[in-house]
Amino acid sequence: GEDVEQSLFLSVREGDSSVINCTYTDSSSTYLYWYKQEPGAGLQLLTYIFSNMDMKQDQRLTVLLNKKDKHLSLRIADTQTGDSAIYFCAFTSGTYKYIFGTGTRLKVLA
Amino acid sequence: GAVVSQHPSRVICKSGTSVKIECRSLDFQATTMFWYRQFPKKSLMLMATSNEGSKATYEQGVEKDKFLINHASLTLSTLTVTSAHPEDSSFYICSARDHPGQSSGNTIYFGEGSWLTVV
Repeated sequence: GEDVEQSLFLSVREGDSSVINCTYTDSSSTYLYWYKQEPGAGLQLLTYIFSNMDMKQDQRLTVLLNKKDKHLSLRIADTQTGDSAIYFCAFTSGTYKYIFGTGTRLKVLA
Repeated sequence: GAVVSQHPSRVICKSGTSVKIECRSLDFQATTMFWYRQFPKKSLMLMATSNEGSKATYEQGVEKDKFLINHASLTLSTLTVTSAHPEDSSFYICSARDHPGQSSGNTIYFGEGSWLTVV
């Protein structure tokens, strides 16, 4: 089956940039997403990228996709304490069956 | 934007009883809904895909008789955990796909999740 790996933890200082990485094995992925989950809450869609794109920027968020290396990253500029959460990458190949990464717990230090 | 609501957000039940979790699409019709389970500090695992008016499709390893899914209308799917045991305690999240052709454009929307604690 598909395998999606993320680092479990990331700690950054407030105001610094955060980079959350995700590697995957399924080359048929067509839509790639980043979700944010705050404690005890559901998932909030942050941004997404189509597989034919290399980069997408949305305010403080930058998504980079390296299809050759099957690597997806999310960069959060000027990280704030409110960004502390778990971040999941997710993929679908158009069937609406989402495959989620293991999640990265981001902790922002004041 | 489109909203998916789950109820209850938290529920505690006694071992051996059944508990029902509802997932509603509030402002769009959802032909397909998905149920996920999240273990502590783990990712989300798809349990089943629920299509309106037909039987749910369960993922491998998910007990159909234990996790009953009903999708009786285009705005409501329910997950019933039958004869609950403490190991069923988890965070359950639903998501819904809108009906093709609606303005929200075939996007998936997630509910807020439901915490189930079996004591």
